[in-house]
Amino acid sequence: GQQLNQSPQSMFIQEGEDVSMNCTSSSIFNTWLWYKQDPGEGPVLLIALYKAGELTSNGRLTAQFGITRKDSFLNISASIPSDVGIYFCAGQDSAGGTSYGKLTFGQGTILTVHP
Amino acid sequence: NAGVMQNPRHLVRRRGQEARLRCSPMKGHSHVYWYRQLPEEGLKFMVYLQKENIIDESGMPKERFSAEFPKEGPSILRIQQVVRGDSAAYFCASSQSGRARNEQFFGPGTRLTVL
Repeated sequence: GQQLNQSPQSMFIQEGEDVSMNCTSSSIFNTWLWYKQDPGEGPVLLIALYKAGELTSNGRLTAQFGITRKDSFLNISASIPSDVGIYFCAGQDSAGGTSYGKLTFGQGTILTVHP
Repeated sequence: NAGVMQNPRHLVRRRGQEARLRCSPMKGHSHVYWYRQLPEEGLKFMVYLQKENIIDESGMPKERFSAEFPKEGPSILRIQQVVRGDSAAYFCASSQSGRARNEQFFGPGTRLTVL
């Protein structure tokens, strides 16, 4: 089945630093999504990418959909303590051409921000 | 505008009992997805349902697990004769449709503990 490799597994940074994480896939996805999960909560959607090469920003977050459609990265600029959490990439494809269903998730990147 | 609701938030069962997890999608959403998350892992797709139909159950174990999304009422994920390995967080997500550019929004999850 499809697999997503997300790296790094964890990051420890100082407040104010920029952060970069990425996901690579063994197969093509039509959509890439980035989620953040806080302890005891469900994932919250940060950014959705629909087109190869697309670069999208949401405040201090920027994400790109790789040209090959097999990778994506997420950047967080000027990190703050509330950025702490687990970040997941997820790929979505089209099953049978018309129905978009399951998300395939990466293993997550645990981000710790020191004040 | 209420988000995806799941209950109970925590569920404790003894081995051999049944677990029923409920999910109410966001208002206006008719597509529901169930995912399972083991500690320190990403989410794994289980099943995708539309009202009264199972669209994709490729991630759901063939035995003991079942899911439904009736015309009226919440979606139910049912686990019969639970075993310790079923202990996990179960997340439900919903989307407005099953077409492209319809992001999945997640509920807070049900944490199942099997004693």
